[in-house]
Amino acid sequence: EVQLVESGGGLVQPGGSLRLSCAASRFTFSNSWMSWVRQAPGKGLEWVANIKHDGSEKYYVDSVKGRFTISRDNAENSLYLQMNSLRAEDTAVYYCVRGRQSMDVWGHGTTVTVSS
Amino acid sequence: DVVMTQSPLSLPVTLGQPASISCRSSQSLVHSDGNTYLNWFQQRPGQPPRRLIYKVSDRDSGVPDRFSGSGSGTDFTLKISRVEAEDVGVYYCMQGIHWPPITFGGGTKVEIK
Repeated sequence: EVQLVESGGGLVQPGGSLRLSCAASRFTFSNSWMSWVRQAPGKGLEWVANIKHDGSEKYYVDSVKGRFTISRDNAENSLYLQMNSLRAEDTAVYYCVRGRQSMDVWGHGTTVTVSS
Repeated sequence: DVVMTQSPLSLPVTLGQPASISCRSSQSLVHSDGNTYLNWFQQRPGQPPRRLIYKVSDRDSGVPDRFSGSGSGTDFTLKISRVEAEDVGVYYCMQGIHWPPITFGGGTKVEIK
């Protein structure tokens, strides 16, 4: 079964940094666009960023541009999200998702809490 | 940005009865390749989202046939022919043609009366 497993979430102070990871298995990761989608507590889904299969194109929602960086390591079947200058409004469950507009496989998410 | 508007916000349904959720986009979702990139997701309580429907009406593997998607252009509908207890959760539509950003509807909460 295709699987995505996120890690790296936690409690961080405003202005701090975190790096999320997503381990992919049982599909050809290097052929897939990948995305991060987040969900604030009690709220809906918000697309955060995506990256082309070879890493040559990256796109972000305006609210994270300049603060977050999406990257991937196809040799390790891994997706990353480096989050800097974190704000309270970044508090959310972050999901790793396969695809660009397909979004057919979702991980279980990792929780990021930004609070002093 | 393309705005996705779902209605209703909350949908109380009697078991065995049909349910219908509307999703409207602020721009047409028809791509130049002829496809319409409109997905529907289900999020059960405490679970991650799960894709149910892609390209308006194609059901994902393992999705019961009581779920169906329809629509065109800017107006789309998700229907559940006979609601079961396991269908409780929040349903989201999503457009994947005018991006960035990819945008989701605000969600419709389906609950049992």
